[in-house]
Amino acid sequence: QKEVEQDPGPLSVPEGAIVSLNCTYSNSAFQYFMWYRQYSRKGPELLMYTYSSGNKEDGRFTAQVDKSSKYISLFIRDSQPSDSATYLCAMSTSGGSYIPTFGRGTSLIVHP
Amino acid sequence: DTAVSQTPKYLVTQMGNDKSIKCEQNLGHDTMYWYKQDSKKFLKIMFSYNNKELIINETVPNRFSPKSPDKAHLNLHINSLELGDSAVYFCASSQDLTTGELFFGEGSRLTVL
Repeated sequence: QKEVEQDPGPLSVPEGAIVSLNCTYSNSAFQYFMWYRQYSRKGPELLMYTYSSGNKEDGRFTAQVDKSSKYISLFIRDSQPSDSATYLCAMSTSGGSYIPTFGRGTSLIVHP
Repeated sequence: DTAVSQTPKYLVTQMGNDKSIKCEQNLGHDTMYWYKQDSKKFLKIMFSYNNKELIINETVPNRFSPKSPDKAHLNLHINSLELGDSAVYFCASSQDLTTGELFFGEGSRLTVL
């Protein structure tokens, strides 16, 4: 079992839909949780960064962490065609190495 | 002005050749990384340098040799290229080792024929 599991998709939704992207993980030492967005032929860019459990909102994006279930989510409201990209979850521990471990990414397609 | 820049963006080469990829960051960060992204989009850490010192060296063949001449630069040299080395190689940087907030370059797409 990989440390971080993420369904690769693709996930295809109509414009305006609410999108839910998810990751599960096995390492209970993970404390920092991140979502990166990667457009085709580009490098990943950080979208959301949360510590421990709870929710964090930034515009149309909401990140949720449920440490008891080892499950994290990214919600995108009012999805736009420009949101079409691959979304990678990443997580790191708080001691020793903070280098994030990435999921394999979910490809999202938002069609007009 | 690009924060993390990699050159070249594309390399096509034959098996057995040696190639290098260069990376520079102008963010003033202390830590730099090399990641490999395979055809299934899986992004895997290869090396991490902090203040020019090697911190992380994951299970990577010793044909791969990173070099950090200063904090702003991290290069990757690959000897005796193999078909399985075909991938996109990403350079990234972070302020220091206490954050997972990475800034990535645009990637260098290596194709080994």
